[in-house]
Amino acid sequence: RKEVEQDPGPFNVPEGATVAFNCTYSNSASQSFFWYRQDCRKEPKLLMSVYSSGNEDGRFTAQLNRASQYISLLIRDSKLSDSATYLCVVNLMDSSYKLIFGSGTRLLVRP
Amino acid sequence: GAVVSQHPSWVICKSGTSVKIECRSLDFQATTMFWYRQFPKQSLMLMATSNEGSKATYEQGVEKDKFLINHASLTLSTLTVTSAHPEDSSFYICSAGGTSGFNEQFFGPGTRLTVL
Repeated sequence: RKEVEQDPGPFNVPEGATVAFNCTYSNSASQSFFWYRQDCRKEPKLLMSVYSSGNEDGRFTAQLNRASQYISLLIRDSKLSDSATYLCVVNLMDSSYKLIFGSGTRLLVRP
Repeated sequence: GAVVSQHPSWVICKSGTSVKIECRSLDFQATTMFWYRQFPKQSLMLMATSNEGSKATYEQGVEKDKFLINHASLTLSTLTVTSAHPEDSSFYICSAGGTSGFNEQFFGPGTRLTVL
C-alpha cells in the first residue's frame, strides 16, 4: 500500500465548476499535511497547508480527518489557470523532516 | 517565499558520463536540503537528505556511490550522478527548509537529465 494515495484523474471540468480531490495516508503518526500544485515540467509549489479544523484560502478549501486518515481539497469557481497536478503531501515531523508525496491528481479546466 | 535555484536546468549527456547538479538557497541558510527524483507521470521520490557539513542520508534503494551528495556550505548542495545510464534519465529536484522552525520546503526549478 502506498503511503499517500490519490486518484490520478484526470478531472476534466468546465470553467466555474467546483471540483474536489481526496487523499488518504497510511501512517497515523503523520503530523503535517499539505497540498502542492505542480505544473507540467515544473517544480511543486505549496498551495496550502491543511489544518485539523479545516482551512480556506480564497476559492480553495482543505479539510483533514485524522480518524479516517483522509485529506481533501475543494476548488470552487474553477479557472483555466487551475489546470495542473495537485499533490497531497504529508510530513511525519520526525527528526528526518521528510515529505511524502502522493502521485498527484491531474485537473483540466476547459473553457 | 524563499528562493532556491538549480543549475543546470537541463542536461543531455552520453552514457557513462558523470553529471553534477547544483542546488542553492539564495536568500536563506539551509542546514538541510533534500534531493528528489521524478519519473514521468509518477510522484516525487525522495532520494536523500543532505546535511551541511556531514554525510547525506540516503533512502532505501538509492545507491550512495552512484548519487554523490555534497553539502559543503549552508547555501549549496550538489548531486553528482556518476556514470549515468539511460535509466537515470529523470527530473531531479532539490528543496530546502522544512526543518524545525521552517515548516515549508522550498523547491528548486528542477534539472531534467537525459542520458543517451
